[in-house]
Amino acid sequence: KNEVEQSPQNLTAQEGEFITINCSYSVGISALHWLQQHPGGGIVSLFMLSSGKKKHGRLIATINIQEKHSSLHITASHPRDSAVYICAALPANRDDKIIFGKGTRLHILP
Amino acid sequence: EAQVTQNPRYLITVTGKKLTVTCSQNMNHEYMSWYRQDPGLGLRQIYYSMNVEVTDKGDVPEGYKVSRKEKRNFPLILESPSPNQTSLYFCASSRTGWSEKLFFGSGTQLSVL
Repeated sequence: KNEVEQSPQNLTAQEGEFITINCSYSVGISALHWLQQHPGGGIVSLFMLSSGKKKHGRLIATINIQEKHSSLHITASHPRDSAVYICAALPANRDDKIIFGKGTRLHILP
Repeated sequence: EAQVTQNPRYLITVTGKKLTVTCSQNMNHEYMSWYRQDPGLGLRQIYYSMNVEVTDKGDVPEGYKVSRKEKRNFPLILESPSPNQTSLYFCASSRTGWSEKLFFGSGTQLSVL
C-alpha cells in the first residue's frame, strides 16, 4: 500500500529554535508538496518539490528521491509558524492516487 | 487578487437532500480538484479535473459528482448526502496539475444530520 509517513506527529519548541519535520514515502513519486494549515482550517501550499532543495524566507524544503525522503526546515521559528504541516506525494505511477501524510502539529512557544 | 473561492463556508443539511458546494478560480488554471479532511484520516482527494470536460476519480469518489463545464468553476455535488460525508472539504487549483503550486479555497465544513 502506498504510504506517506510524517514525523514527528507533534512538536513543541521555543521561539527561535530550528525546526525539522520529516516525510518518508513508500513509492516512486513525481512531485511532493508541503502544505501549511493554520488553526481555523485554511491550507497554504509552501513548496512543490521534484528534486533538490527550495528556500522561501525562513523555510527550506529538501527532497532525496533515492531515499524517498523529504524534510521541511524552519529557521528562527516564531509563534506564527504554529500550524499543522502536511506532506503530500504524487506517485510516479499515473494509476496511483495522491497520498497525504497525517500531518505534523507544530506549536512554537513565545 | 488571485484566489479560489469556495461556498458556502458552513453547511448543515439532512440525509438525502441534494447539495452543491461551489468552487471558482480566477487564475485561468487548468487543474482543479476536491479534497475532504477528516480527523485521523487526513486529507484525501475526491475528484480532479485536468481541463474543461475532463474529470477523473481521486481516492474517495463514492457518493460525489463533479462537473467542469467552464474552466473557472468546479462544483462538488452530493446527490444524496449521508452522515459519513460530514467532513471539511477543500477545493484547490493549479496552472496545469499537481506538479505545480496549488491554491486552496478556504474550506467548507459540511454536517449531514
